[in-house]
Amino acid sequence: NAGVTQTPKFQVLKTGQSMTLQCAQDMNHEYMSWYRQDPGMGLRLIHYSVGAGITDQGEVPNGYNVSRSTTEDFPLRLLSAAPSQTSVYFCASSGAGGGSNQPQHFGDGTRLSIL
Amino acid sequence: GQQVMQIPQYQHVQEGEDFTTYCNSSTTLSNIQWYKQRPGGHPVFLIQLVKSGEVKKQKRLTFQFGEAKKNSSLHITATQTTDVGTYFCASQGGSEKLVFGKGMKLTVNP
Repeated sequence: NAGVTQTPKFQVLKTGQSMTLQCAQDMNHEYMSWYRQDPGMGLRLIHYSVGAGITDQGEVPNGYNVSRSTTEDFPLRLLSAAPSQTSVYFCASSGAGGGSNQPQHFGDGTRLSIL
Repeated sequence: GQQVMQIPQYQHVQEGEDFTTYCNSSTTLSNIQWYKQRPGGHPVFLIQLVKSGEVKKQKRLTFQFGEAKKNSSLHITATQTTDVGTYFCASQGGSEKLVFGKGMKLTVNP
C-alpha cells in the first residue's frame, strides 16, 4: 500500500521557470490538499480538493495552480517560480466521506529551492 | 478565517520531565486534530477530539478538548528522546479547509 506519493523529492529551479509537483494516492480518498512548510510558519494550506473536478483556494494560493481530473492525482503547478516559493511542499489526503474532518495522510514532501 | 494558536512554539525539556502544550482559538472549534512530525519527516496523525471536555490517552500522551471547544492541550508524561519532533494542532477553517497551527518544536536533553 503506497499511500500518498510525491514526486520529485528534491528540485532546484531558477527564477521564472515552471514546474509541476506530482501527488498521487491509492486509497480512493476524495479529499486532497497541498501545504507548504516554512521555518516558524507551520503548515500553510495552498489549495485543496473535495473530489475530482472540484478545487478551492487555501490560505496562500497566489503563484500556484491545481487541477483534479482524477480521484488519484492532484498536481500542483508553479507557473513562474519565485525565490519566495522556496519551501517544503506536502500533499495530503483523507477519505471516508469526512473531508478535512478525517485524519490526513501526508506524503514524504518535495523540497524545492528557487535560485 | 479560522486560526489556531499554539503555545509555546519551542519547548526544551529534560528527559523524564512532564510538560503540556496548548492550542487556542478565538472561535468555537468543531473538532481538533493533533499531528507529530519527526525531524526530516512528514506530519503523522495522532488523535482527533470532537466532544466538549473530551480526554483521550495514547500511552504517555494525554489530549484534552476544552469545555468551550476553544482550546486543546497535549500533555506528555515522563518525556523520552523518542518524543522529539514538532507537534501540530489543526482544525477546520471554514468550508473544508484544514488549518494548522505553527507547531510546537520539542527537544529533549537526555
